[in-house]
Order: sequence, then structure tokens, then C-alpha cells
Amino acid sequence: GDSVTQMEGPVTLSEEAFLTINCTYTATGYPSLFWYVQYPGEGLQLLLKATKADDKGSNKGFEATYRKETTSFHLEKGSVQVSDSAVYFCALSDRDYGNNRLAFGKGNQVVVIP
Amino acid sequence: KAGVTQTPRYLIKTRGQQVTLSCSPISGHRSVSWYQQTPGQGLQFLFEYFSETQRNKGNFPGRFSGRQFSNSRSEMNVSTLELGDSALYLCASSSGTGVRYEQYFGPGTRLTVT
Repeated sequence: GDSVTQMEGPVTLSEEAFLTINCTYTATGYPSLFWYVQYPGEGLQLLLKATKADDKGSNKGFEATYRKETTSFHLEKGSVQVSDSAVYFCALSDRDYGNNRLAFGKGNQVVVIP
Repeated sequence: KAGVTQTPRYLIKTRGQQVTLSCSPISGHRSVSWYQQTPGQGLQFLFEYFSETQRNKGNFPGRFSGRQFSNSRSEMNVSTLELGDSALYLCASSSGTGVRYEQYFGPGTRLTVT
């Protein structure tokens, strides 16, 4: 079935550092790709999405490009802030399903140190 | 507009008992999806309801069931609880199905089975 793989382990970095979180996927169809963020004690919030190859999703300084040739959707931010500390999830939805089913990666805890 | 609400927020049950969790979607939203979040398995799709009909179901045993009412509120039920059912249960609502429609997540119900 469809699946998403995120790099292992938490990410700790200093304020204003560059952030990259790797995400690769396996899908039989032509998926749409998402990044969600979860702050402590809250549900998931959609951060950005891309629905076709070479699309770039962007929001709040975060970007990710849908790379069909490498089946990847890596998340990047040029200069992180302490407020970016959260758990980040990569997800996909097979749009051929015609429903709202999402397959998520395991998530990455991001800790930004002042 | 009020967000997705889930009740109760925290729950402690004993093995063998059953439990019912509730999700009230954003007003006007007709789709409700449920997910289980655990440290080991991550976020896993349980099922989706749209206009009182189950549209899709994940790979969970029959002990997990759900329903949706005419006002779009949804409940999920877990019978004969097992220790492994301890998890954060998230629901998400959407105004439609498919990637054009953003899913909004509630804060979750934290279920602990002892």
C-alpha cells in the first residue's frame, strides 16, 4: 500500500539555522503530498501541500517541492525560529481514491534552541 | 468559526471495557475522518464518514467501529479494549472529499487502557 518515510530521529538546531526534513513516498497512483505540523497539546495543522509533480508548496517560510523522479517531498526553511518547535509529519493522499484518507510518515520532532 | 471539538479529551479505561469517543466537526463540514496516533505505529487511518456513510476503512479489527449522525457529528467505539489501544485518537473534518478540501484536525482524545 501507499506509504511515507521520514528521516529517523528528532532534529535539534539553533535559531536562524537552515532546516531540512526528508520525506520520500511509495504510491501506486498519483498522490498529492502534504506537510502537517503538530504543536504540543494540539491537533495537526496543514502547513503546505502539492498536488502534482514539480509543484512547490509554501507557507510561513516553509517550502517543499514535489519530485516525482525521486519520489520525494523534502521540507525546508531558511531560518528557523523558536516558535517553529513542533512535530512535522509528511503525508500523502492518493487522489484516485476520491476520499480523505491520508497516509502519514512517523513524524520528526524539531527543537529550535535560542 | 469554531474548530473541531473532541470529547472527552482524556479517558482512562480498563482492559475488556468499551469506550465511545465523540467528534463535532466544523459547522457545514460533512466529512469526518478518524486516526489513531501511537509512538510505535504513528498516525494510522481508521475510517472516514461522509453524509452518514462510511466511505473508507483502514486496517483495524472489527472492535473499532464508528458512525456519523445527520448533523455530521461522529462517534467511534472501541469494544473489548486492549492495552495496545492506548493512543491519541484524532478526528478531522472537511467540507468535501478529495485533495481540494483541507482537513481540519481536532485536539484529540487521549485514551489510556490499564
